[in-house]
Amino acid sequence: DQQVKQNSPSLSVQEGRISILNCDYTNSMFDYFLWYKKYPAEGPTFLISISSIKDKNEDGRFTVFLNKSAKHLSLHIVPSQPGDSAVYFCAANSQGGSEKLVFGKGTKLTVNP
Amino acid sequence: EAGVAQSPRYKIIEKRQSVAFWCNPISGHATLYWYQQILGQGPKLLIQFQNNGVVDDSQLPKDRFSAERLKGVDSTLKIQPAKLEDSAVYLCASTHLNRASSYEQYFGPGTRLTVT
Repeated sequence: DQQVKQNSPSLSVQEGRISILNCDYTNSMFDYFLWYKKYPAEGPTFLISISSIKDKNEDGRFTVFLNKSAKHLSLHIVPSQPGDSAVYFCAANSQGGSEKLVFGKGTKLTVNP
Repeated sequence: EAGVAQSPRYKIIEKRQSVAFWCNPISGHATLYWYQQILGQGPKLLIQFQNNGVVDDSQLPKDRFSAERLKGVDSTLKIQPAKLEDSAVYLCASTHLNRASSYEQYFGPGTRLTVT
């Protein structure tokens, strides 16, 4: 039973354009969501997060949108840069529960020069 | 600030052999996690420590996997005996004790295990 789903295994965009990565979740108890970025042969690194009391959080070129009614969140990268090419993982947590993060399978983003 | 350290980076063993992985978390981080990441999947939590106590080991295959964090700092994860399906990257992560920032886990580079 996959509680966090990233249905697009890969995404390819042109440099300077917008990248939109999507994530869906099924557990209504999740109330905190994170995006991690992973380069080959490295561990995931934290990128941006959002609490369920918000519907948007922005940090520079990165914005995460949360639609609680649809149990959907998305990560927008504008403008996309070749250095953004990596695997992006969506993760979720329940503040009322343990600190365990539940991860999606990831989306491989390729930004072409 | 030094990051999470893991060793070895790569390990190849035959099935039924045993293997151990080591993790040194970021200094001052009380919470330590071990994850298993199978190719094409997201990381899956195996065990979570708070200082030297186990918080969650519900997804740890206890018949073959064991982990310890005796002094509340370094941790080791052991597999004995290994199976082919244990081939994966084993990631260690740590966080501050402060719950407000505890979701932002800091990951090490991982150990890639291949079981043949």
